[in-house]
Amino acid sequence: EDQVTQSPEALRLQEGESSSLNCSYTVSGLRGLFWYRQDPGKGPEFLFTLYSAGEEKEKERLKATLTKKESFLHITAPKPEDSATYLCAVQAATSGTYKYIFGTGTRLKVLA
Amino acid sequence: ETGVTQTPRHLVMGMTNKKSLKCEQHLGHNAMYWYKQSAKKPLELMFVYSLEERVENNSVPSRFSPECPNSSHLFLHLHTLQPEDSALYLCASSPGGGYEKLFFGSGTQLSVL
Repeated sequence: EDQVTQSPEALRLQEGESSSLNCSYTVSGLRGLFWYRQDPGKGPEFLFTLYSAGEEKEKERLKATLTKKESFLHITAPKPEDSATYLCAVQAATSGTYKYIFGTGTRLKVLA
Repeated sequence: ETGVTQTPRHLVMGMTNKKSLKCEQHLGHNAMYWYKQSAKKPLELMFVYSLEERVENNSVPSRFSPECPNSSHLFLHLHTLQPEDSALYLCASSPGGGYEKLFFGSGTQLSVL
């Protein structure tokens, strides 16, 4: 069964304290792995897509990496405005063209 | 106006009411989605429309009825809901064809009393 697991469930960091969020997946035929950011009261906002092991993408303080079993979202020197829930999703070959499997997310709180 | 717009933002309804959620996308996309988001649960796909044709129906109870009159508009008609249907309902769109990122609206926070 295709599955996505995110850890930790919640994370509190001091401003400037770098860390990583994990997304582990079990799918048959990965089409793409997606990272989204969701602020309270809003819908998820796209951050990155990764397609193959070894691929990396960067945007400001965020860097996403992908292996054959998991993806990491590295946050370097975070600021309070990085506080949000970060969602990981995979699109698997077995789950249909339009079906994305989401994780439960990591709630990040960055303290000033 | 750009992006994906959902109305209303908040909705409180009784179990015997009938209401509709509306979604409009201004991105020229061909695929539109309804997701349900409950606390501590992954986003649950409810329905997918591609070029106004329903392509996914994820075993959703019949008290939820989708409608896609054209590629820019999507509705979710609600009737005789249960308290466990209280959740954030998100609409999304994508260009169509797979391997794509989703563009989400801000959602409708639904409370069923």
